[in-house]
Amino acid sequence: GAGVSQSPSNKVTEKGKDVELRCDPISGHTALYWYRQSLGQGLEFLIYFQGNSAPDKSGLPSDRFSAERTGGSVSTLTIQRTQQEDSAVYLCASSYQGGSGTQYFGPGTRLLVL
Amino acid sequence: DAKTTQPTSMDCAEGRAANLPCNHSTISGNEYVYWYRQIHSQGPQYIIHGLKNNETNEMASLIITEDRKSSTLILPHATLRDTAVYYCIVRVVYNNNDMRFGAGTRLTVKP
Repeated sequence: GAGVSQSPSNKVTEKGKDVELRCDPISGHTALYWYRQSLGQGLEFLIYFQGNSAPDKSGLPSDRFSAERTGGSVSTLTIQRTQQEDSAVYLCASSYQGGSGTQYFGPGTRLLVL
Repeated sequence: DAKTTQPTSMDCAEGRAANLPCNHSTISGNEYVYWYRQIHSQGPQYIIHGLKNNETNEMASLIITEDRKSSTLILPHATLRDTAVYYCIVRVVYNNNDMRFGAGTRLTVKP
């Protein structure tokens, strides 16, 4: 079946602009995660959605970052008033609740803030 | 989740087996060992996971020591396309919290 998809694959924006990144998880997966990865660095957890529970936002670096998940499926990560340090690859992953918790990752969105 | 220790980098000749070690001496009884890899400019790719028994799938084999304090990922016949950063992660069973990726091992497969 289809894997996790993300769009756009690349995004170039100007400092101060808002951006929206989209994630389509694997069908039937109830858990969805956002991470970001700066150049040459490891993955940094941002936010986690599990079913209808309140999301775990503990990894969001500032209040400029927010995410929502509509209908328990598609998720959008929004970055307001982008800064140059927001430049990174933003990765989405999903997993099936009740399983071993294996996460399957999308290809990522490469964000460049000029 | 328990911490893992992996070598920073390894080389392997094409066609040979690549054996990637991971130490997880503080692993708890309810923690799985997961392996992922990340090929340049791509998202992490799930490889295999296990609890205490050795596991094998179409990609790799996972050997876990009897005391579960270390494990080895084996790519039986490495190809150039296996060049990637390999991450060993330990995580509580059925825990749907975030994956904690460390620095991983950069495997370079050479012709």
